Amino acid sequence: DTAVSQTPKYLVTQMGNDKSIKCEQNLGHDTMYWYKQDSKKFLKIMFSYNNKELIINETVPNRFSPKSPDKAHLNLHINSLELGDSAVYFCASSRRVGQGAFNEQYFGPGTRLTVT
Amino acid sequence: RKEVEQDPGPFNVPEGATVAFNCTYSNSASQSFFWYRQDCRKEPKLLMSVYSSGNEDGRFTAQLNRASQYISLLIRDSKLSDSATYLCVVNMLNNAGNMLTFGGGTRLMVKP
Repeated sequence: DTAVSQTPKYLVTQMGNDKSIKCEQNLGHDTMYWYKQDSKKFLKIMFSYNNKELIINETVPNRFSPKSPDKAHLNLHINSLELGDSAVYFCASSRRVGQGAFNEQYFGPGTRLTVT
Repeated sequence: RKEVEQDPGPFNVPEGATVAFNCTYSNSASQSFFWYRQDCRKEPKLLMSVYSSGNEDGRFTAQLNRASQYISLLIRDSKLSDSATYLCVVNMLNNAGNMLTFGGGTRLMVKP
């Protein structure tokens, strides 16, 4: 049973295209996240989202937008893809802040995006 | 200055060795601290939380020094399976969310 799943695992596309990455968690968590891990392996938060609030890392271009159809899903839409968007994108989930001292985040397996 | 800094390594050690990783963080408002492990081409997974009093989980010991804004991870009796990248992670809880800040990772390679 996969706790946090992402599709697709690999995505190769051309500059200028629009693409989406899907994420689902079956942990009953209230909060979901998107991270980007670049070629230098730095993992950076892009978004934090629960059913009340979307928090956006100010460095994320507005071509990126998360969409949550329900509490178990947080999809990532990317418009007008650029070469610099090539990276591994990880989805994660956790219990809502305040429901425990350490809200461990569980990560999905990642989506390797290559923009050509 | 990066928010969370780690020596990228790699640390090459023989099986059975003891190895220690250090990490410094810049934001004194950070509230929670973790070590995550990431295997090659895999997702990060929580290794252990880091408590103010220090904590141990089997062969792994984590220490936190808030005054110096410094976190450490000690691995005793290294196994081949310990080979991975170890990510130092801090969490500054705020009204908005549970935003983790990751260090760049320290790569460990345990040799037979």
